Amino acid sequence: GENVEQHPSTLSVQEGDSAVIKCTYSDSASNYFPWYKQELGKGPQLIIDIRSNVGEKKDQRIAVTLNKTAKHFSLHITETQPEDSAVYFCAAHKASGGSYIPTFGRGTSLIVHP
Amino acid sequence: DTAVSQTPKYLVTQMGNDKSIKCEQNLGHDTMYWYKQDSKKFLKIMFSYNNKELIINETVPNRFSPKSPDKAHLNLHINSLELGDSAVYFCASSQEGGRPGAFFGQGTRLTVV
Repeated sequence: GENVEQHPSTLSVQEGDSAVIKCTYSDSASNYFPWYKQELGKGPQLIIDIRSNVGEKKDQRIAVTLNKTAKHFSLHITETQPEDSAVYFCAAHKASGGSYIPTFGRGTSLIVHP
Repeated sequence: DTAVSQTPKYLVTQMGNDKSIKCEQNLGHDTMYWYKQDSKKFLKIMFSYNNKELIINETVPNRFSPKSPDKAHLNLHINSLELGDSAVYFCASSQEGGRPGAFFGQGTRLTVV
């Protein structure tokens, strides 16, 4: 089955710095890659996603890049703010019949120091 | 209006009991999921329902059973609860024909004592 590796497990940055979280996946059939932000005591929230036919996608301070050949994708957060502090999860989905099977990375705890 | 709501938020129960967690979504999505998040924050999918049909069933014990009375609801029933079942359970929904990324509920923290 699919295996998703996520690094680093913890990332500490100063406010205003950039943060990069990287994920690799094993199954070349995976074709949809969402990123989630989970704040303490809440459910994961979808923040950005990318499909396999796209190499990069941006939404204000966050961006995701995908390298299909190398089977890795990354989340980039620029000008980090304390409210960006949370656990971030990547996921890889592959189609099975009419639906997508998601596999999650183990999460990255991002700490932004004021 | 909460998009994906699950109840209860907290559930403390004794080993051996049977319990249920309810989930409802008002997004009109056609697929609903149950996830388990352990103490190390690892998220693992347990079940997925699409149009009242079970389409994913990870290797979870058969003490866990999803029940979908209609497209907007997917409840989780757990029989003979064990200490190892303690975790946070999340319900989620998505629209598979469009954007498969899921909308999650707030979670139910289950503690088995």
